[in-house]
Amino acid sequence: EVQLLESGGGLVQPGGSLRLSCAASGFTFDNYAMNWVRQAPGKGLEWISVVSVYGGATYYKDSVKGRFTISRDNSQSILYLQMNSLTAEDTAVYYCVRGGSSRLYLFDYWGQGTVVTVSS
Amino acid sequence: ERVMTQSPATVSVSPGETVTLSCRASPSVGSFLAWSQQKPGQAPRLLIYGASTRATGIPARFSGSGSGTEFALTISSLQSEDSALYFCHQYDNWPPTFGQGTKVEIK
Repeated sequence: EVQLLESGGGLVQPGGSLRLSCAASGFTFDNYAMNWVRQAPGKGLEWISVVSVYGGATYYKDSVKGRFTISRDNSQSILYLQMNSLTAEDTAVYYCVRGGSSRLYLFDYWGQGTVVTVSS
Repeated sequence: ERVMTQSPATVSVSPGETVTLSCRASPSVGSFLAWSQQKPGQAPRLLIYGASTRATGIPARFSGSGSGTEFALTISSLQSEDSALYFCHQYDNWPPTFGQGTKVEIK
């Protein structure tokens, strides 16, 4: 059974940093691209980043480019999201999402999400 | 980026009935459209991809149709467990984008 378990969320002050983790199991992690998708309170889902199977290619939504860094450790089947210079607009539930084997952005398995709150 | 618009925002349906949800893309996304179900406190679950292909383990009463700019998700013989938020997303063009979702309530 595919499982994605996010952790690392919490309350952080504006300008602060957090690192999210996503532990994957039940599939061959290094066969799939991995994504982060977020949902702000009362708003729709927003894709924010993807990393290729070996980590050599990464892409970001403009709103987080330069502040967030996605990475992966295939030896431990863990996906990361380093978030710096956080603002109130980054407050959201953050989901770890597996990409399709042939289409990067076909989101076939999701984690339950971790909550990030940016507030003073 | 592609804009995805879902309607209605909320629909209330009796058990055993059929409901059809709409997702509109602007501009076209071909057949690269997926539907997912989200229940409170649970991870979203992929139902349909390629506009009409059911994901593994999804019951046949969930069906998808459409291409280009107009898509539909039909749930037949509605069951109480189908009460959830349903959202579409396109994976044709970067960045992937999502509809706002349709909430299905069971009367």
